[in-house]
Amino acid sequence: KNEVEQSPQNLTAQEGEFITINCSYSVGISALHWLQQHPGGGIVSLFMLSSGKKKHGRLIATINIQEKHSSLHITASHPRDSAVYICAVYVGLQGAQKLVFGQGTRLTINP
Amino acid sequence: NAGVTQTPKFRVLKTGQSMTLLCAQDMNHEYMYWYRQDPGMGLRLIHYSVGEGTTAKGEVPDGYNVSRLKKQNFLLGLESAAPSQTSVYFCASSRLLMLQFFGPGTRLTVL
Repeated sequence: KNEVEQSPQNLTAQEGEFITINCSYSVGISALHWLQQHPGGGIVSLFMLSSGKKKHGRLIATINIQEKHSSLHITASHPRDSAVYICAVYVGLQGAQKLVFGQGTRLTINP
Repeated sequence: NAGVTQTPKFRVLKTGQSMTLLCAQDMNHEYMYWYRQDPGMGLRLIHYSVGEGTTAKGEVPDGYNVSRLKKQNFLLGLESAAPSQTSVYFCASSRLLMLQFFGPGTRLTVL
């Protein structure tokens, strides 16, 4: 079983819909990352959070440390949001933390 | 600022050949990482560095060596390339437990 599990693996929606991508992890973590990988392959870090909620534009990330679960929400989705969204967790001892990645969720937003 | 750059962007090797991938960052980050990304496997950590002159093994280090002689550069070497090392390689950098910034990737094919 992977240490980081994402669901769904694939998601197709219509423009304007509210999107939720889930991430569950089974290890103790220092922080959690959400990343976006564009169709061209480039990877952009969206959020890093260790508690509560963060918001950037139409993107909202939440984390529940007790339940070992995080969600990424996209409001008013747009075709340009089509990408692979990757959850990753920082694990390890202080000074040697490393990211462990989920498999990614492929999101397609149709106009 | 260029952020994180990688050279080369593409490379084709024959089995047994050697090569070095160069990663450079201009953000004065302490931490640097080399990942590989394979279909269906997600991103996996090869080696990482917590500072100039230090390196450590990640999840899949076999067949690779690294060096960090200068803070801004992190080199990944393949001494004797194998077809199993065909992959897309990403470099990233960060401060301690902060967002990681990724390079554009190097697509390597080993025939």
